[in-house]
Amino acid sequence: GAVVSQHPSRVICKSGTSVKIECRSLDFQATTMFWYRQFPKQSLMLMATSNEGSKATYEQGVEKDKFLINHASLTLSTLTVTSAHPEDSSFYICSAGGTGRGEQYFGPGTRLTVT
Amino acid sequence: GQNIDQPTEMTATEGAIVQINCTYQTSGFNGLFWYQQHAGEAPTFLSYNVLDGLEEKGRFSSFLSRSKGYSYLLLKELQMKDSASYLCAVRESAGNNRKLIWGLGTSLAVNP
Repeated sequence: GAVVSQHPSRVICKSGTSVKIECRSLDFQATTMFWYRQFPKQSLMLMATSNEGSKATYEQGVEKDKFLINHASLTLSTLTVTSAHPEDSSFYICSAGGTGRGEQYFGPGTRLTVT
Repeated sequence: GQNIDQPTEMTATEGAIVQINCTYQTSGFNGLFWYQQHAGEAPTFLSYNVLDGLEEKGRFSSFLSRSKGYSYLLLKELQMKDSASYLCAVRESAGNNRKLIWGLGTSLAVNP
């Protein structure tokens, strides 16, 4: 149980275009999902908390208009990187909450490269 | 403020035991988690502690002392595949807020 999928696993896009990343909880419902970004050899950086049926909560310094989050259902959250630039190239990982203990189960991640 | 400290790097030998420490200072405490992350992959959940004491799960054990703001992850019978980054994370509050505060991770290298 507690499987989270993420799509696509890798994406290369041109500067100025937008990219959508999907995160799905496959065998459980997740009212809360999280989006992280991780640069090489650095730790996880929480970008935002995605809440089903309401607006996402963004961490300080994360641009809401650039990183659009939609939590359309209890099993799906999407992150859209708008007008991507090379500095947005990173490993984006989503997670979903499991049991009442609060652990998070991670998707396999999406490696974004902006050329 | 919030602060979670872990050693940056550790090295150990195959077959040995290694202990990775984590100290935390957070505004609240509702559980501590350990995750393993191999290079280029997403983190995977290893253990959870909310009460003081030792939780054992196979070769891995995790200890918590809430009064000291301290936890450790113990890895026994080390294998080469245990080479990875180990992340300590704390949940500050209960209820619907599942946000975790993350340490920077400890990169463990297991040598033959």
